[in-house]
Amino acid sequence: AQKVTQAQTEISVVEKEDVTLDCVYETRDTTYYLFWYKQPPSGELVFLIRRNSFDEQNEISGRYSWNFQKSTSSFNFTITASQVVDSAVYFCALSDTTSGTYKYIFGTGTRLKVLA
Amino acid sequence: GAVVSQHPSWVICKSGTSVKIECRSLDFQATTMFWYRQFPKQSLMLMATSNEGSKATYEQGVEKDKFLINHASLTLSTLTVTSAHPEDSSFYICSARDIAGGRNEQFFGPGTRLTVL
Repeated sequence: AQKVTQAQTEISVVEKEDVTLDCVYETRDTTYYLFWYKQPPSGELVFLIRRNSFDEQNEISGRYSWNFQKSTSSFNFTITASQVVDSAVYFCALSDTTSGTYKYIFGTGTRLKVLA
Repeated sequence: GAVVSQHPSWVICKSGTSVKIECRSLDFQATTMFWYRQFPKQSLMLMATSNEGSKATYEQGVEKDKFLINHASLTLSTLTVTSAHPEDSSFYICSARDIAGGRNEQFFGPGTRLTVL
């Protein structure tokens, strides 16, 4: 069965610190997609990244970077030089391809608090 | 592009009434839409998959008769919470799957906050 685990329930850091949010997934699919979303207090999900299972290259976008390792079934997210505006709940998600519906399985989320 | 809207953004209703939430894909066609429910400080839980022109597929534990889903067109899906009760108070989020150009990804609406008194 597909599953996404975000073991860190809540993380607090001081502004300008680097922080890594962990995501471990389980799937039997050979083709799948992984995602990260940010959910600020307003509630609207903000798309951050989409990665398919055949692309293991790490990605950097400004202060954000992602480390995808199939060997450990992990897709970790690092924010460099964190800012107060980064405070939000971050969700990792896995796209189910076996059923053909491509529904998403979300992790439980990590609440990040960046203190000024 | 790939914008999904939801209406209303928030609603307060009395216990026992029904509430309809609309989900629209504004600039693409969505053969599949998804409805999620999120309780405070919890994750998004998929309620059902809505397919245009056919019956919705509900996740285990979700009452079909309580949460009526209609996907009458390629740009509109509706979720009706029938005989709402305080325990139905939650944040409801829809998403629409865009398959154009092989993108095959979901785009999320801004959510609807339902409060049942």
